[in-house]
This record gives sequence, C-alpha cells and structure tokens, in this order.
Amino acid sequence: EPEVTQTPSHQVTQMGQEVILRCVPISNHLYFYWYRQILGQKVEFLVSFYNNEISEKSEIFDDQFSVERPDGSNFTLKIRSTKLEDSAMYFCARKGTPAGDTQYFGPGTRLTVL
Amino acid sequence: AQKVTQAQTEISVVEKEDVTLDCVYETRDTTYYLFWYKQPPSGELVFLIRRNSFDEQNEISGRYSWNFQKSTSSFNFTITASQVVDSAVYFCALSEARGGSNYKLTFGKGTLLTVNP
Repeated sequence: EPEVTQTPSHQVTQMGQEVILRCVPISNHLYFYWYRQILGQKVEFLVSFYNNEISEKSEIFDDQFSVERPDGSNFTLKIRSTKLEDSAMYFCARKGTPAGDTQYFGPGTRLTVL
Repeated sequence: AQKVTQAQTEISVVEKEDVTLDCVYETRDTTYYLFWYKQPPSGELVFLIRRNSFDEQNEISGRYSWNFQKSTSSFNFTITASQVVDSAVYFCALSEARGGSNYKLTFGKGTLLTVNP
C-alpha cells in the first residue's frame, strides 16, 4: 500500500489553464511537500507545508502556485495559469514529526502543458 | 546552502558486477540527514536508506551497502552482484535539521545505472 496517493496520474492541459494536483496521505502526518522533476532532470523542492501553513517555498514557487489542505486530508497544488515550462512530474511527499524522518513520496502526477 | 553532487551521470555494467555510486554533499549544518532514493523506469521515488550525521557506521542491506565518510563529505552506495532489476536512476539527497525548519530535501542530479544481462 502506497504511503501517499496522487491524482491524477497524468494531466494534459492547455497553456494558460489552471490545474489542481491532489495528494492524499495514507497516514496522518504534519509535514507535506511538493517537488517537481522536469523530464530527465533532478528532483527540485517546491514548497513545504507544516501544520496547515506554508513553512518554506523555493524560488520556483512563484505567485502562479498555491497549496492548501482544504478538508484536513487532501493536500493540493494549484497552478493558476500554466506555462509550457511547467510540464514536469510533480511529487507529493509526507514526513513524520521526528527530525530527519524519511520523506515518502507518492507516485507522482505527470503534467503536460501544450 | 546545501548541495549534493553526483558526478556520475550514467554507469553501465554487466550483470553480477559490483558497482559504486558516488555522492558528495555540502552543508554548513552539523546535524543533517542523508538519503538514497531509487527511481525505476516506472517513475516513482523509492526510499532506500537514511543516515544521520552522527552515525558514520556503514550499513549493509542484502546486496546494498552504504559508506558514509564525514571527513570527505561522501555517502557512497554500492550494489554487489548487480541485477537487471537494479537498472534505475539513483538519487542522493540531503536534509538539514535546523530547528523549526521544514527538512526539505536537496537532491543530486542522479546517476542512471544500466545493468545489462
């Protein structure tokens, strides 16, 4: 059983459209993260979410991005107006409370912006 | 700022050969955590191992072993008697443990390991 599930597995959208990527952690954890991986490149940190607030965001995470946990369970990443360069695999991860606890990743959502 | 370097972009071996994947890291923190993840062709990120900065003991898990050396800021990963199923991209990652921080992971660029039959 996966630690985290993500939906959809693949999303195709037109440039300028809004997309919402969803993450559902199996267990109840406080730390959540979004990372992205452009095809063939390394995994990059986007944002961390702790105790229902953004705790840190990277330079990539500009005003076009937002995260929320609307119902206390699902954790969403919204891209308001997608660009071609947003095409990537987006991974959600969760972590337990102990310092340095392992981050477990979901299977990812492949976003394709046309 | 933290940084992870995986100098080997691609490695190709023949089945049953041993292979070592290199990882060098940079951090200003005295407390930090190191990880290895495997990304098979299916794309998911699979956790392999975590080490904290205070524990330099090497670890062995089946055919996998890890050599952590603080003196050289390295955390190398060896696969003994490689198998075709080991073919994947392997990422080394670093997390700092500043108080109140978010423990974000900084990844290296990954090493693509191809094991040929």
